[in-house]
Amino acid sequence: AQKITQTQPGMFVQEKEAVTLDCTYDTSDPSYGLFWYKQPSSGEMIFLIYQGSYDQQNATEGRYSLNFQKARKSANLVISASQLGDSAMYFCAMRVTGTASKLTFGTGTRLQVTL
Amino acid sequence: EAGVAQSPRYKIIEKRQSVAFWCNPISGHATLYWYQQILGQGPKLLIQFQNNGVVDDSQLPKDRFSAERLKGVDSTLKIQPAKLEDSAVYLCASSLAGGRETPKNIQYFGAGTRLSVL
Repeated sequence: AQKITQTQPGMFVQEKEAVTLDCTYDTSDPSYGLFWYKQPSSGEMIFLIYQGSYDQQNATEGRYSLNFQKARKSANLVISASQLGDSAMYFCAMRVTGTASKLTFGTGTRLQVTL
Repeated sequence: EAGVAQSPRYKIIEKRQSVAFWCNPISGHATLYWYQQILGQGPKLLIQFQNNGVVDDSQLPKDRFSAERLKGVDSTLKIQPAKLEDSAVYLCASSLAGGRETPKNIQYFGAGTRLSVL
């Protein structure tokens, strides 16, 4: 079975600073994908970034980057130059190849960006 | 490109009543998912459709929940009768394909329906 652990229930960061949101995962399958989603107060889950288990380089998407450490089974999200609009819940999720496309989610981290 | 549409956005009912949610996926997306998100938790998959066939409904409480996807496009999720513990946000998502051959199969979510059962 797959498991995602997000140990930070809440984080604060000042505007324009960088912040790292932690995510560790557990799976015995060698082929898997890791996803980060943002959920603002409006409720919609917004896809941010994807990392495949066989990808050689860490994924980047604009101000988002994924610090993928396969041996440690961690996939931390780094947000650079935080903006007030980044305040939201952030979920890490995993999907294993071969299963129906079920995403296994963590419990999320609430990020608050302050002035 | 239009995103995943869901309605209603909010619903308040009393226990033992019935309720239905509607979802219209992104055009051309073959796979549709319904998730339940209880406050303070991540979303949990209830059911997955590939076109109009069910792929995974292992976590759907079938004694009270039902879902259909007629013609492989829109979908409805029904709860009958509702219980207090069904209070949650119900999220619909869609993706291009089932993606069994690769883990990269991005799911796009709607804004959800927030259900309160009193």
